[in-house]
Amino acid sequence: GAVVSQHPSRVICKSGTSVKIECRSLDFQATTMFWYRQFPKQSLMLMATSNEGSKATYEQGVEKDKFLINHASLTLSTLTVTSAHPEDSSFYICSASLIFVQIERDGYTFGSGTRLTVV
Amino acid sequence: EDQVTQSPEALRLQEGESSSLNCSYTVSGLRGLFWYRQDPGKGPEFLFTLYSAGEEKEKERLKATLTKKESFLHITAPKPEDSATYLCAVGSGNTGKLIFGQGTTLQVKP
Repeated sequence: GAVVSQHPSRVICKSGTSVKIECRSLDFQATTMFWYRQFPKQSLMLMATSNEGSKATYEQGVEKDKFLINHASLTLSTLTVTSAHPEDSSFYICSASLIFVQIERDGYTFGSGTRLTVV
Repeated sequence: EDQVTQSPEALRLQEGESSSLNCSYTVSGLRGLFWYRQDPGKGPEFLFTLYSAGEEKEKERLKATLTKKESFLHITAPKPEDSATYLCAVGSGNTGKLIFGQGTTLQVKP
């Protein structure tokens, strides 16, 4: 149980274009989803927290106009990288949780990640 | 400031050579300490959650322990398939956010 599907797994796009990454909770309803970014050989850095039906909360230093997050339903959150540049190339990972107390027994569930390359 | 530090950064072991990975943390209001395994190009895979000092959990060759300041992931008689990056994270306060350490990359040679 508690499976999170992330799509696409890899994407290559041209500079200036936008890319959308989807994160779906397959067998549970995720009230909160988290988006992380991971550079090679570095750890996960939280970008933003999204709650269903409300605006995402962005971490300090993350441009909200560049990284658009939508959490329109309890099973889907999307991250759109707008006007992508080569420096946006990274590994993006989503994570979903139920009410915190429930999920912490099983740990937060992560998607399989999306490798974005901007050329 | 909430912080998680893992050591060593990298660890090479021979198959069967037991060792431990360290995770030191400072957090305001610990809401769980989590261990994950991450293979290259994949998302983190959940291993353990620990909640209070003195708690221990085991899974196959892995055993996680927790004190008020740090956690250890003990690997007993590792096999090559245990090679991966092991991430430690703490849940902070009431936000539900996870704060990750830098990870320890383990390589087990046959």
